[in-house]
Amino acid sequence: DAKTTQPTSMDCAEGRAANLPCNHSTISGNEYVYWYRQIHSQGPQYIIHGLKNNETNEMASLIITEDRKSSTLILPHATLRDTAVYYCIVSDSNYQLIWGAGTKLIIKP
Amino acid sequence: NAGVTQTPKFQVLKTGQSMTLQCAQDMNHEYMSWYRQDPGMGLRLIHYSVGAGITDQGEVPNGYNVSRSTTEDFPLRLLSAAPSQTSVYFCASSNSNQPQHFGDGTRLSIL
Repeated sequence: DAKTTQPTSMDCAEGRAANLPCNHSTISGNEYVYWYRQIHSQGPQYIIHGLKNNETNEMASLIITEDRKSSTLILPHATLRDTAVYYCIVSDSNYQLIWGAGTKLIIKP
Repeated sequence: NAGVTQTPKFQVLKTGQSMTLQCAQDMNHEYMSWYRQDPGMGLRLIHYSVGAGITDQGEVPNGYNVSRSTTEDFPLRLLSAAPSQTSVYFCASSNSNQPQHFGDGTRLSIL
């Protein structure tokens, strides 16, 4: 599975959009990009995933570059409850995920 | 639905003891996985199963055994606990091409 690179930590003001980048330059054609988050050592929570096209759901938007070498997770109106560690994972198998250290996102009032 | 249920939530063992971490899901998911998470790190895959009777090793399988006799249950066994196995253990389940659902974790300390 391809590896990902994420910033160690980021801050965002409450109410603003939080944009979390992820680099996955060695991604293969059949690998999806998954985003999960983990709030205060709870079990990880699925956010969104995509293959080529941009995706949006009730939680977030996922923007994947045309060459698929990077992506951005967008939380449109961040709240204090969005403070968490966010993981970007690429995999061709949704049950064999290789997790990095993620990005610690802190939402500030 | 209860989702993914892990028991116990906390456990302290002595070196050399054995124990079984339980995981049950009520969503009729085919796939189940066990991960461990050490402080400040991401999850690492220990073992996984793609269906009843089928298991396979992940990144860090040494010292752990699993079995999948039913669709619902996927227990993780520590054969002879070592301090290096002190960690938080998460169980997850999913169906093909669907996101994983995680339990709340078991916090295990080995003295």
